Amino acid sequence: ILNVEQSPQSLHVQEGDSTNFTCSFPSSNFYALHWYRWETAKSPEALFVMTLNGDEKKKGRISATLNTKEGYSYLYIKGSQPEDSATYLCALFNAGNNRKLIWGLGTSLAVNP
Amino acid sequence: DGGITQSPKYLFRKEGQNVTLSCEQNLNHDAMYWYRQDPGQGLRLIYYSQIVNDFQKGDIAEGYSVSREKKESFPLTVTSAQKNPTAFYLCASSIRGQGIYEQYFGPGTRLTVT
Repeated sequence: ILNVEQSPQSLHVQEGDSTNFTCSFPSSNFYALHWYRWETAKSPEALFVMTLNGDEKKKGRISATLNTKEGYSYLYIKGSQPEDSATYLCALFNAGNNRKLIWGLGTSLAVNP
Repeated sequence: DGGITQSPKYLFRKEGQNVTLSCEQNLNHDAMYWYRQDPGQGLRLIYYSQIVNDFQKGDIAEGYSVSREKKESFPLTVTSAQKNPTAFYLCASSIRGQGIYEQYFGPGTRLTVT
């Protein structure tokens, strides 16, 4: 059974702090790794889809890196703002997994003003 | 405005009744998905469809049924055979179904069965 793990489960930071969290996954048969942001009372929104080992993607103050050999991805938020408060989900698409995403439980981020 | 709509936002049903959740997209996406979220669990795939008139079971398809008669629509029926139907249901779509395309989500339907 494939397992995608995210850590920490929750995080509280002050406005202006930079922060990062981890998504760990089995490295065999890797195909793609997705990151989504899910704000309360809104729909999950895609941040990145990453496919290549060593890939680094950036969207504003948010960036992500990918290591497919060791099976992890980091999401970084630089200078956190209250509007960054959300749950950040990662999901693995594994080539041998009946072609569907396996979702982590998410990291819940709260940014205090 | 392109996007995915789900209706209704909240749904209440008596045990033993079937109920159908609506999902419509105008993004011209081939693939559509139904997920269920329960407290303390990740999103779990119920059914997905990669093309019109075709769909596959996900991890927890028992007690659910779907149809994909039109590209824009992927309704989910929660039948009386589903043991624990009370949950938050999310519909999503992507351009194609190969896993490298981001998914776009609807606002969700919270179903309560008593």
